[in-house]
Amino acid sequence: KAGVTQTPRYLIKTRGQQVTLSCSPISGHRSVSWYQQTPGQGLQFLFEYFSETQRNKGNFPGRFSGRQFSNSRSEMNVSTLELGDSALYLCASSLAGPGLASDTQYFGPGTRLTVL
Amino acid sequence: EDKVVQSPLSLVVHEGDTVTLNCSYEVTNFRSLLWYKQEKKAPTFLFMLTSSGIEKKSGRLSSILDKKELFSILNITATQTGDSAIYLCAVEAVRGAQKLVFGQGTRLTINP
Repeated sequence: KAGVTQTPRYLIKTRGQQVTLSCSPISGHRSVSWYQQTPGQGLQFLFEYFSETQRNKGNFPGRFSGRQFSNSRSEMNVSTLELGDSALYLCASSLAGPGLASDTQYFGPGTRLTVL
Repeated sequence: EDKVVQSPLSLVVHEGDTVTLNCSYEVTNFRSLLWYKQEKKAPTFLFMLTSSGIEKKSGRLSSILDKKELFSILNITATQTGDSAIYLCAVEAVRGAQKLVFGQGTRLTINP
């Protein structure tokens, strides 16, 4: 089975621009979670989607948004970019659905976003 | 607020040594604790622990969870240079949603 894929792998933007990152989960996985990783804050949860619905959201401003498509692929969007948004953005997929026991999340390689 | 704390933050040992990494947590609605290894980019899954006292093993790595004292340890025996990485501990803290709360990570360096 192919793993979690993310595109693009690297991105350079300037302040004020917007960006869209894409994540394709492992085949059969319906849950996609997004995380931001920075040297100062570590890995922080952004949001999670299951069956095209956002199930949970972390403590990030409204500039960070996401969506999930019917094939479980997910995108996240960051508008009005700030220097502090420079980070590695990781997505993770899992099988877990409502009522299921805990299920392992498998991570993609990440998208390295640099904001100048 | 849910919190996961790892120690030490950094560790340098010689090849062949045994290391123990610690992870303590304070979360509501604990579901599971996971260990990941991160070398360059994607964290790769090591273990998921849900029950106290049951050791999980994979080769030279093992891990155990204590739900009463709210901590877990990750042991690596006979370390090799390829074990050099950041080891991340995460707790799943919300029922029905795949949200992980991560610790800061332990940067492990194995010198030959």
